[in-house]
Amino acid sequence: NAGVTQTPKFQVLKTGQSMTLQCAQDMNHNSMYWYRQDPGMGLRLIYYSASEGTTDKGEVPNGYNVSRLNKREFSLRLESAAPSQTSVYFCASNDRVQETQYFGPGTRLLVL
Amino acid sequence: GNSVTQMEGPVTLSEEAFLTINCTYTATGYPSLFWYVQYPGEGLQLLLKATKADDKGSNKGFEATYRKETTSFHLEKGSVQVSDSAVYFCALWNDYKLSFGAGTTVTVRA
Repeated sequence: NAGVTQTPKFQVLKTGQSMTLQCAQDMNHNSMYWYRQDPGMGLRLIYYSASEGTTDKGEVPNGYNVSRLNKREFSLRLESAAPSQTSVYFCASNDRVQETQYFGPGTRLLVL
Repeated sequence: GNSVTQMEGPVTLSEEAFLTINCTYTATGYPSLFWYVQYPGEGLQLLLKATKADDKGSNKGFEATYRKETTSFHLEKGSVQVSDSAVYFCALWNDYKLSFGAGTTVTVRA
């Protein structure tokens, strides 16, 4: 039981490049989330998916897109990376009944 | 809207000292409240939670009580260890989403 996995662990991009962050969970959870973590700002919600086939914007969605590929997988895409998107990105999932989120190990992204 | 305000850090303590991290919240309705912990280089993990007023969450010697009258959920531990060094986040669950505080970095010295 791996929980929530994320790839890659670390990535360096140049401004304007694109990339997709991958996330998968094996806990059969309905809801999945993408956050970014910046110093002194806690975690801010980028997008979430309350169930397979649905996605919704969070607090800071600009510059990002998401795809809920199936119940297990939820990817985050940066179409044209900017230095302001340098951050640590966390994926999470939860069972709505439990109201408890389980987090992946994070992806550190540096945009030059 | 929902918001969480927690004590700014960093906090530096000696081993066996008492730890308190203050957390207050603003929310509609009656949200569930959480403390998450992040050890260096890792993702967040749930430390404890409380789902209704006057509930006390506890885990690993940490405690927090849901106080509706003061809209607070302060985290306490009576005797900290070096292994408690981490970043602590207060959070609330409402509208199928978590809202986090900014995090408090705690360092415990031997």
